[in-house]
Amino acid sequence: RKEVEQDPGPFNVPEGATVAFNCTYSNSASQSFFWYRQDCRKEPKLLMSVYSSGNEDGRFTAQLNRASQYISLLIRDSKLSDSATYLCVVSSGGGADGLTFGKGTHLIIQP
Amino acid sequence: ETGVTQTPRHLVMGMTNKKSLKCEQHLGHNAMYWYKQSAKKPLELMFVYNFKEQTENNSVPSRFSPECPNSSHLFLHLHTLQPEDSALYLCASRMKPGQGLAGANVLTFGAGSRLTVL
Repeated sequence: RKEVEQDPGPFNVPEGATVAFNCTYSNSASQSFFWYRQDCRKEPKLLMSVYSSGNEDGRFTAQLNRASQYISLLIRDSKLSDSATYLCVVSSGGGADGLTFGKGTHLIIQP
Repeated sequence: ETGVTQTPRHLVMGMTNKKSLKCEQHLGHNAMYWYKQSAKKPLELMFVYNFKEQTENNSVPSRFSPECPNSSHLFLHLHTLQPEDSALYLCASRMKPGQGLAGANVLTFGAGSRLTVL
């Protein structure tokens, strides 16, 4: 089983719709979770951290399910500018660099 | 600008060339990283430096040679690369984990150096 798994998509979604995607992780000792956004030919940028209680930032909501070992990202009222690849990142906390990236989910918002 | 600057942004080199990628961060971070991003693959961690000491080398071929003269600068020296080494090379930095600082795990990436090996 891959350490961090994401559906690569692409998800084609009409503008204004709600879209959600998940990321599963295999290491039950994982401690920190993040969603990064990467625009075409640009660097990844932190979108939001994912807390155990779930968190919301405007139109974006992130959830963590430790029992089933997945995190989710929900985008409401999607905008054209939300088109990007969303990278799931999981940290085991061990050593300097227990950060593991998923391959990313490609989202295309259509007018 | 993210505070992590990479040069050059684009590089084309032959298999016999020697070139270097440079990364500089102005965020006061004390850990720096090189990642490789190839098409349809997750980011691959190559090298880690904490307090300018290399702490991780993820089985990277010796044709890639990192150098970290101080905690703000990181280089990746390239020598006799192969066409399959063509990729986006991303530098990142963060505060060393475990210091109890909020956001200590958050990586800040540079814009990347897109390398093409002919």
